[in-house]
Amino acid sequence: QSVLTQPPSVAGAPGQRVTISCTGSNSNIGAGYEVHWYQQLPGAAPKLIIYGNNNRPSGVPDRFSGSKSGTSASLAITGLQAEDEADYYCQSYDKSLRDVFGGGTKLTVL
Amino acid sequence: QVQLQESGPGLVNPSQTLSLTCTVSGASISEDNHYWSWVRQPPGKGLEWIAYIYYTGSTYYSPSLKSRVLISLDMSERQFSLTLTSVTAADTAVYYCARLYGGGRNYFEHWGQGTLVTVSS
Repeated sequence: QSVLTQPPSVAGAPGQRVTISCTGSNSNIGAGYEVHWYQQLPGAAPKLIIYGNNNRPSGVPDRFSGSKSGTSASLAITGLQAEDEADYYCQSYDKSLRDVFGGGTKLTVL
Repeated sequence: QVQLQESGPGLVNPSQTLSLTCTVSGASISEDNHYWSWVRQPPGKGLEWIAYIYYTGSTYYSPSLKSRVLISLDMSERQFSLTLTSVTAADTAVYYCARLYGGGRNYFEHWGQGTLVTVSS
């Protein structure tokens, strides 16, 4: 059971917009700690795609965006492309557990 | 650019000790606000943070693994290492080394390619 809760899977057709939620508690996201997002393509290492709730590292398309409100955060992907099919993980800091990840969400591009 | 490369045995016997090393290139080990980290991923499962170390020698451990884990740093070799004792099949995972940006933000900005460690006799 992960400290941060994500839906196991989401799906969307090419060109559509999908969102992935990440729900925490007052010990982590709700305490004001930032949320970060990682993309993991099949067989590859995770890659940082959003840091500090809504910032994109250099080279990450602006189709990816993040938001945070209360004890939850979301990753949005617009203009869905086949290459976006991957696992996505949220991550934050917890007062007791330090750095924690969500359980991951598998994005399927239909 | 920053590159991290894990190395170590791919097979460890149950109850023995797992030891891995990460070699850093393209970055200074002593750069402020950057921590050298280990994260693991059991087959088909999610990510789990294990530990990180600062160039000053300060160490931070996951509470769930703290009793079995040691992280160390060799600045002259530009390497940091992970030791996990008394391993069981539950420790079978891909182990990643990563650089974490701290400064109150704590995100893993660079990752190694990962190395699969299987615990089995």
